[in-house]
Amino acid sequence: GNSVTQMEGPVTLSEEAFLTINCTYTATGYPSLFWYVQYPGEGLQLLLKATKADDKGSNKGFEATYRKETTSFHLEKGSVQVSDSAVYFCALEGNQGGKLIFGQGTELSVKP
Amino acid sequence: SAVISQKPSRDICQRGTSLTIQCQVDSQVTMMFWYRQQPGQSLTLIATANQGSEATYESGFVIDKFPISRPNLTFSTLTVSNMSPEDSSIYLCSVETATNTEAFFGQGTRLTVV
Repeated sequence: GNSVTQMEGPVTLSEEAFLTINCTYTATGYPSLFWYVQYPGEGLQLLLKATKADDKGSNKGFEATYRKETTSFHLEKGSVQVSDSAVYFCALEGNQGGKLIFGQGTELSVKP
Repeated sequence: SAVISQKPSRDICQRGTSLTIQCQVDSQVTMMFWYRQQPGQSLTLIATANQGSEATYESGFVIDKFPISRPNLTFSTLTVSNMSPEDSSIYLCSVETATNTEAFFGQGTRLTVV
């Protein structure tokens, strides 16, 4: 079946450091891929998405490219801020629309 | 987009009792889902709430434990029945609209069973 694997956290970085959170997936067909973010005490929010191979999703300085050849959707940001501290979830939506399969989540902590 | 209101936002319940969680959307949506997020874990899909018919449950979840209703296109409820401490989780409602290819989430209901 479909699955998503994320790098384990927690990840601790200093402000302005480069961020990569790895995400790989297993799926039949051509899934859509998402990154969701959960800030402390808040609900889950969509950060970015990509719906087909080689698409790049971007938002708030974060980017991720849908790589079908490596079945990956790694999240990157060139310079993190303290306000980026949150839990990040990689997810895929397969052929059954709307049903998301989530990775285990990666907690990011950015120190000033 | 869709704005989702979930009630209650949190509750502490006695074991053996049941809690019903409500999910109200500000517009008609095509699909509604219920997820569970156990402490320190990722989100797991419980079921798809089908309008006017029985919900479709994922493996490991059954109707007797998690009865779901969806009487119309903007409202759904999830009941956690005969609760035990293992049911302590955040329960989230999610929707997908006809015009968006993304899922929107409610704020979640943080349930603690004592």
